[in-house]
Amino acid sequence: QKEVEQNSGPLSVPEGAIASLNCTYSDRVSQSFFWYRQYSGKSPELIMSIYSNGDKEDGRFTAQLNKASQYVSLLIRDSQPSDSATYLCAGLLTGGGNKLTFGTGTQLKVEL
Amino acid sequence: GAVVSQHPSWVICKSGTSVKIECRSLDFQATTMFWYRQFPKQSLMLMATSNEGSKATYEQGVEKDKFLINHASLTLSTLTVTSAHPEDSSFYICSAGPSYNEQFFGPGTRLTVL
Repeated sequence: QKEVEQNSGPLSVPEGAIASLNCTYSDRVSQSFFWYRQYSGKSPELIMSIYSNGDKEDGRFTAQLNKASQYVSLLIRDSQPSDSATYLCAGLLTGGGNKLTFGTGTQLKVEL
Repeated sequence: GAVVSQHPSWVICKSGTSVKIECRSLDFQATTMFWYRQFPKQSLMLMATSNEGSKATYEQGVEKDKFLINHASLTLSTLTVTSAHPEDSSFYICSAGPSYNEQFFGPGTRLTVL
């Protein structure tokens, strides 16, 4: 099993809808998780971090962590065309210092 | 968030030459920085962990003699691609963070080896 797994997409949603991005992780990943947004040709930008079970909200973004199911998600409300990007899920490797391991990313397309 | 810069943002070089890429933390000190490589339509691949004042730690399969890392100060790490070849053409990105749990990426350096 890969350390962090994501569906590569593309995930297409209409403008104004909720986009739901999902990620699962293995036992080799610790309980700290991050969502990065990466536009084509650019480096990743940190959007959200989550460490505890439950939801964490920041503006239009909500991260959810379910440790029992080893599942992390990112919800984007009122999706905008500018949200179209690849979203990378990352977690800290257990016993790896502060080394991050990344999923392959989910491409999101927000359509007008 | 914390600010990480990289220089140059892009570089084109001839095969066989060496290229140095700088990564700086602008508003915090970083004892550890990370170097990643990303090929088109692929995810980030961690190459090495740069440790201030000590040797870098390389990931499996990454040639330490080809990718030289120096972390001489708390705000600067450099990656030198030695004797670059076309297969080294990629997007090189560094990351660092002011705390254990958060990493911020530099803008990346696009290397093209002719």
